[in-house]
Amino acid sequence: GESVGLHLPTLSVQEGDNSIINCAYSNSASDYFIWYKQESGKGPQFIIDIRSNMDKRQGQRVTVLLNKTVKHLSLQIAATQPGDSAVYFCAEIDNYGQNFVFGPGTRLSVLP
Amino acid sequence: KAGVTQTPRYLIKTRGQQVTLSCSPISGHRSVSWYQQTPGQGLQFLFEYFSETQRNKGNFPGRFSGRQFSNSRSEMNVSTLELGDSALYLCASSSSTFYEQFFGPGTRLTVL
Repeated sequence: GESVGLHLPTLSVQEGDNSIINCAYSNSASDYFIWYKQESGKGPQFIIDIRSNMDKRQGQRVTVLLNKTVKHLSLQIAATQPGDSAVYFCAEIDNYGQNFVFGPGTRLSVLP
Repeated sequence: KAGVTQTPRYLIKTRGQQVTLSCSPISGHRSVSWYQQTPGQGLQFLFEYFSETQRNKGNFPGRFSGRQFSNSRSEMNVSTLELGDSALYLCASSSSTFYEQFFGPGTRLTVL
């Protein structure tokens, strides 16, 4: 498959444990944040999003937390499964919807 | 609904040549965005087209250009290829803006 990133930070978790992936964003004017999952050989896949007027949003097995004070975003995955192994990217969009920036990505490795 | 398709999937060119990549968005989607993904720089936004007009542009040289047709299909062109242009080029479509983008599998361009 495609090499997404050779030197990405890697998070290794045991199957069934919870995973927390962190992201620091740069633009205090960012209004909308998205987490993507990218598996080898595929394009990024939308996981969950959150607007700046919220600090938490939950999906199926995933939760995104937003701390605007320290410009930090996190993705929590409950009961991590082997199929969760991938590279995870956060992305931010400014409040004009014109500046779309991806974070560097984190590789999640799920151990059996 | 069929997903975003990109052609070709793989391409090898030599320095100085030019290349054209194609993207067919999800039916009904009018916004198409292009991204470059490399191990060193990660995912970077190139430009976005909406209804045949370039609406947003990232920070790439003029060698990178694009267009969108009336059926929302989009092409990206890179002229005078450089070794550093080797990357995975991703296309994403959405119904209106950057939000809720769906990515294609990408075109892997190798410049020799």
